Amino acid sequence: GAVVSQHPSRVICKSGTSVKIECRSLDFQATTMFWYRQFPKQSLMLMATSNEGSKATYEQGVEKDKFLINHASLTLSTLTVTSAHPEDSSFYICSARTGDAEAFFGQGTRLTVV
Amino acid sequence: GQNIDQPTEMTATEGAIVQINCTYQTSGFNGLFWYQQHAGEAPTFLSYNVLDGLEEKGRFSSFLSRSKGYSYLLLKELQMKDSASYLCAAMDSNYQLIWGAGTKLIIKP
Repeated sequence: GAVVSQHPSRVICKSGTSVKIECRSLDFQATTMFWYRQFPKQSLMLMATSNEGSKATYEQGVEKDKFLINHASLTLSTLTVTSAHPEDSSFYICSARTGDAEAFFGQGTRLTVV
Repeated sequence: GQNIDQPTEMTATEGAIVQINCTYQTSGFNGLFWYQQHAGEAPTFLSYNVLDGLEEKGRFSSFLSRSKGYSYLLLKELQMKDSASYLCAAMDSNYQLIWGAGTKLIIKP
C-alpha cells in the first residue's frame, strides 16, 4: 500500500512554544490530507481537512489560529501547534488520500507539552 | 445525526474466532472501513466494503449489510498479536470518515 510518513514521532516541548508536525505522502499524490487528534482510549477526532493549494476546513470547536495547517504541495501537509499548552498534549495523526476511497495513515506524533 | 456503534471491549481465546459488530447511521454512504490500531500506534487499514456481502482476506473477513446499516469484522485463528483496538469507520456522502470509538480486543492464551 501507499506510504505516509509523519515526523516527528515524539516531541516534548515547553509550554508557550510552537511545534510543527509534517505529513508526507511518499509514493502518491495526496489531494486531500486529514489531521486527527486522539486522546487515550478514545477514537480519532477529525481536526481539519486540507486540500492542496487551498485553506484547510476545520471541524467545529477546533481553533484554526492555534492549529495552523498548510498543504502547500501534493505530497506535504504540516500542522503547527502554536503557543502549546499542557492540554494540547495528545496523539496527532495525519492521513492522506488520492481520489480513491482508502486513506493511508502516518505513524502519528506523540506531543507532550511540559 | 451521524453515529457509529461498536462494543467497547471483547475478550477471546488464542486460536478461536471472534466477530466484532458495528452499526452505523450516516448522511449518505460511501463505504465501511475497518482499521486495526495497536496501543501507541496509528491505525492500519484492514478492509473496505461498499457492496453487500462478505469480503475475505486471509484470517480476516468483513461483512456489510447496507439495508441494515450493519457490518462485522471476523477474525479467525486468533493470535496474541491480534490484541489491539479495531476501529469501524463509515464514509458519508461528503467522503468524510465517521469513526466509531473502537473495540479493544483482548486475546487470552
